[in-house]
Amino acid sequence: QLQLQESGPGLVKPSDNLSLSCSVSGGSISTTNYYWGWIRQPPGKRLEWLGHVFYSGSTNYNPSLKSRVSISIDTSKNRFSLSLTSVTAADTAVYYCARLGYDAYVGLVSLWGQGTLVAVSS
Amino acid sequence: EVVMTQSPATLSVSPGERATLSCRASQSVSSDLAWYQQRPGQAPRLLIYGASARATGIPARFSGSGSGTEFTLTISSLQSEDFAVYYCQQYNNWPPWTFGQGTKVDIK
Repeated sequence: QLQLQESGPGLVKPSDNLSLSCSVSGGSISTTNYYWGWIRQPPGKRLEWLGHVFYSGSTNYNPSLKSRVSISIDTSKNRFSLSLTSVTAADTAVYYCARLGYDAYVGLVSLWGQGTLVAVSS
Repeated sequence: EVVMTQSPATLSVSPGERATLSCRASQSVSSDLAWYQQRPGQAPRLLIYGASARATGIPARFSGSGSGTEFTLTISSLQSEDFAVYYCQQYNNWPPWTFGQGTKVDIK
């Protein structure tokens, strides 16, 4: 059974870079069937799609964050990563990694990680 | 960006009763609308996609309807495990795919 697990610091200072990883277990990340993505939820706010990556390394990003966000994939380690630069308090959120794709629709989240809370504070 | 608006914010329902949740899109998303359930302390899970198709393993008491800009999720007879937060999501217009703000279904 495929599982996703986020890892990374729970506290980041303003203006620093946020880096998170998502380890995939129980299956290979090198599949043409799915994309792999990041979604976040600031406290009291709605879920926000950050972007996603294909096993080939091809990426798509939310334009509202495009200049600050980067998603990469490491098929040898069966994991993918999120980098968000120059963070502010507005980037405080629960960050979810996700497997994307269901019934051929890339935009559907077929599996979510448990989520990790990242606070931006000095 | 397509803005998804859910109503009500909170719905109080007794076990065994029917719950009806609404989701509205700021522009047409055709039938590219999904519903997710998030129980306390758990990750969300996919319930409905294509506005009305149940995902694998989802009980028949969950049903979805609608197209264009107006959508509904109905839970026919609420069970204890159904008390949760429900999110709608459009996957018709990228970028980005967008979510509603959620409806919390709690025990009356």
